[in-house]
Amino acid sequence: AQKITQTQPGMFVQEKEAVTLDCTYDTSDPSYGLFWYKQPSSGEMIFLIYQGSYDQQNATEGRYSLNFQKARKSANLVISASQLGDSAMYFCAMREGLWTGGFKTIFGAGTRLFVKA
Amino acid sequence: GAVVSQHPSRVICKSGTSVKIECRSLDFQATTMFWYRQFPKQSLMLMATSNEGSKATYEQGVEKDKFLINHASLTLSTLTVTSAHPEDSSFYICSASSRDRVRDEKLFFGSGTQLSVL
Repeated sequence: AQKITQTQPGMFVQEKEAVTLDCTYDTSDPSYGLFWYKQPSSGEMIFLIYQGSYDQQNATEGRYSLNFQKARKSANLVISASQLGDSAMYFCAMREGLWTGGFKTIFGAGTRLFVKA
Repeated sequence: GAVVSQHPSRVICKSGTSVKIECRSLDFQATTMFWYRQFPKQSLMLMATSNEGSKATYEQGVEKDKFLINHASLTLSTLTVTSAHPEDSSFYICSASSRDRVRDEKLFFGSGTQLSVL
């Protein structure tokens, strides 16, 4: 069964506008972390933002914010004021078992974002 | 931030040869390293988890004899693709984690290796 689901294979956004990339997850572990990574065409994986399952507030990192809805098991990434350089593949990821030392991280299928000038 | 170096970035080899990919943590001790495989336009699929000084744990469906993983030191893990075939052509990317960096929940990724088997 899919543990990380990204339902948007591709998204278009106009430069300077905001965009939301969807991510839902499935876990029975009470302690987990959710991540978003950006992968440009060069292939490198760039960490964007992290949300712990017991964090009280939604994570923010500059233009990136994570809309964490625990009951719905969703962790959507919001990019504000899109820039042309934001065009890339975006992966949602989850790491389970934070309290028990779990380090295995699994990834969703990804969403390709295209920013239009 | 922590740096993970991965070499080579690109390798082309003949079918039947073996290829070794190195992953080094440059400024921290990587107690755990992960190897992922990524096909074009697809997600990262975890192949195996390696802990320093012990045998790697492979994910279901990954051939242990095909993909040899060694994590002999706290800063180096290697993936050897043995007797490579065209279907092994893929993007391989390593990542590292350190139990010492308790506030760094994220993985630190190498830059990846594009393997092409002719």
